[in-house]
Amino acid sequence: QKEVEQNSGPLSVPEGAIASLNCTYSDRGSQSFFWYRQYSGKSPELIMFIYSNGDKEDGRFTAQLNKASQYVSLLIRDSQPSDSATYLCAVNGNTDKLIFGTGTRLQVFP
Amino acid sequence: ETGVTQTPRHLVMGMTNKKSLKCEQHLGHNAMYWYKQSAKKPLELMFVYNFKEQTENNSVPSRFSPECPNSSHLFLHLHTLQPEDSALYLCASSLEDSEAGNTIYFGEGSWLTVV
Repeated sequence: QKEVEQNSGPLSVPEGAIASLNCTYSDRGSQSFFWYRQYSGKSPELIMFIYSNGDKEDGRFTAQLNKASQYVSLLIRDSQPSDSATYLCAVNGNTDKLIFGTGTRLQVFP
Repeated sequence: ETGVTQTPRHLVMGMTNKKSLKCEQHLGHNAMYWYKQSAKKPLELMFVYNFKEQTENNSVPSRFSPECPNSSHLFLHLHTLQPEDSALYLCASSLEDSEAGNTIYFGEGSWLTVV
């Protein structure tokens, strides 16, 4: 089992819709969870981090964490074509090492 | 200016060459990292330095040699690389023991092609 698992996509959503990106992780002791966005040919940039169960909102982005299910998600409201990118989930476990998923490619079409 | 600066942005080298990648962080962080990103693979952690001391070497071949002279600068020395080493090499930094945990910030990356 991969340590951090994401569907590679592409996930295609129309402009204005909600995009839902999902991530599962294997280390039950994981404490911190991160979402990065990576445009093609660019480096990852941090969008949000979350470490408490529940929702955390920042503008159009909402991170959701469920530690019991070992599941973290990112919702993007009112999706824009400029949101088209690969979204990387990263998990910081007991070893304090940040483990990345392979990323989900999101395509927002006009 | 970005918080983490990498040079060169693009590098083409032969298998017998010796070259170096350079990274500088302007964020006052105390940990620095080298990651490798290949197509269709997750980001691979290569090396970690905390307060200039190497704390992680993720089974990286010896043809990659890191150097961290101080907490703001990090180098990756390259020699006798193989074509499969062609990838995007990302430098990152973080502030250990920050409230956000181990939040890392990436540089723009160095695209390496080995011919």
